Amino acid sequence: QLQLQESGPGLVKPSETLSLTCTVSGGSTIGSSYYWAWIRQPPGKGLEWIGSIHYTGSTYYNPSLKSRVTISVDTSKNQFSLRLSSVTAADTAVYYCARRIVVTATNNYFDIWGQGTLVTVSS
Amino acid sequence: SSELTQDPAVSVALGQTVRITCQGDSLRTYYASWYQQKPGQAPILVIYAKDKRPSGIPDRFSGSSSGNTASLTVTGAQAEDEAEYHCNSRDSSGNYLVFGGGTKLTVL
Repeated sequence: QLQLQESGPGLVKPSETLSLTCTVSGGSTIGSSYYWAWIRQPPGKGLEWIGSIHYTGSTYYNPSLKSRVTISVDTSKNQFSLRLSSVTAADTAVYYCARRIVVTATNNYFDIWGQGTLVTVSS
Repeated sequence: SSELTQDPAVSVALGQTVRITCQGDSLRTYYASWYQQKPGQAPILVIYAKDKRPSGIPDRFSGSSSGNTASLTVTGAQAEDEAEYHCNSRDSSGNYLVFGGGTKLTVL
């Protein structure tokens, strides 16, 4: 059974860089139909897709965050990571990692999610 | 603002049927998927490819789509179905992913 687990600091100072890692267990990050994604949820608000990466390294980012986001994958460690630079209080959220299955261009969905990790931006 | 629109809140009497909708131009082209999220928990997939249920999801959950609207129907709602429901699909360009704002379902 594939599982995802987020890890990283729970507190980040304003203007610094948020860094999180998602460890994939019970399966592999390698797979042509899989994309690995980061999604966040500010307290009391809805879900926001941050970006996705394929094991080949192809990335897709939310245009509203693209200038500050970097997602990378390390297939040897079965991990993928998120870096979000120049954070502000507005970046305070629960950050989830998830697997997206792409069956076709019109049929794709997040089938497995990590438990989420709260990151607070505060001095 | 989201390119997928959901009603913020819906209520249903125990055992009755409720439909939760998600509207957006991209839904004319791309399937929606639906996620159930209970307080303090991660979302779980309940419907994908318009009307498919993952293993373990009760058959009282069903999905449909018409035009620019995707729907999640709960037939015979149970107390444990009380949760936030989020729809997800691509944006109208097809290049990015978007979520609806979420619908809080209350079972009375």
